[in-house]
Amino acid sequence: DVKVTQSSRYLVKRTGEKVFLECVQDMDHENMFWYRQDPGLGLRLIYFSYDVKMKEKGDIPEGYSVSREKKERFSLILESASTNQTSMYLCASSLAGRNYEQYFGPGTRLTVT
Amino acid sequence: DQQVKQNSPSLSVQEGRISILNCDYTNSMFDYFLWYKKYPAEGPTFLISISSIKDKNEDGRFTVFLNKSAKHLSLHIVPSQPGDSAVYFCAASDFSSGSARQLTFGSGTQLTVLP
Repeated sequence: DVKVTQSSRYLVKRTGEKVFLECVQDMDHENMFWYRQDPGLGLRLIYFSYDVKMKEKGDIPEGYSVSREKKERFSLILESASTNQTSMYLCASSLAGRNYEQYFGPGTRLTVT
Repeated sequence: DQQVKQNSPSLSVQEGRISILNCDYTNSMFDYFLWYKKYPAEGPTFLISISSIKDKNEDGRFTVFLNKSAKHLSLHIVPSQPGDSAVYFCAASDFSSGSARQLTFGSGTQLTVLP
């Protein structure tokens, strides 16, 4: 059974804190993605990675960075959290050439106070 | 500017009836379209897709229709069941540009199937 796991289901952080969101997939997928989901806006792509140490900006990369040191792990970093980064964060993975079938984790609800 | 639009945030239908979820897009380069389903506290799961070379794709109770001239696609669920109650996201991509192209998602439609 394919699985994408995210380190936390709920997270509360203070403004200015550095935040790490971790994602691990066990399917040997090449591609990994970070999205945020907001009401009325759907899923918006923050960053994606198609190989270890490779990354590309998505639609809304500002205020975020990512790290992919191992194939199975993709981390999203908020260098200095702000209240407008309060959101649901979803990680996904897919096989190379099969981006149409992405497997999502359960999400992390981040609240920045 | 949203390139993929789902103008109905919610839809309620009776069990056994047809559910029709709609999606419009503006980017004429999109050549692959998908629907994802999301239950509360879970990530979205892939449901059904269609290539731009087709106008219909069917998988059991789910059928997706594509009207390229109108830049419109729809998802039909027949018959609707209470377990279909979820948020449905439409997504699109320009896959001819390469294998690592991103998906562009709509804002989602909450479907509620009433028993």
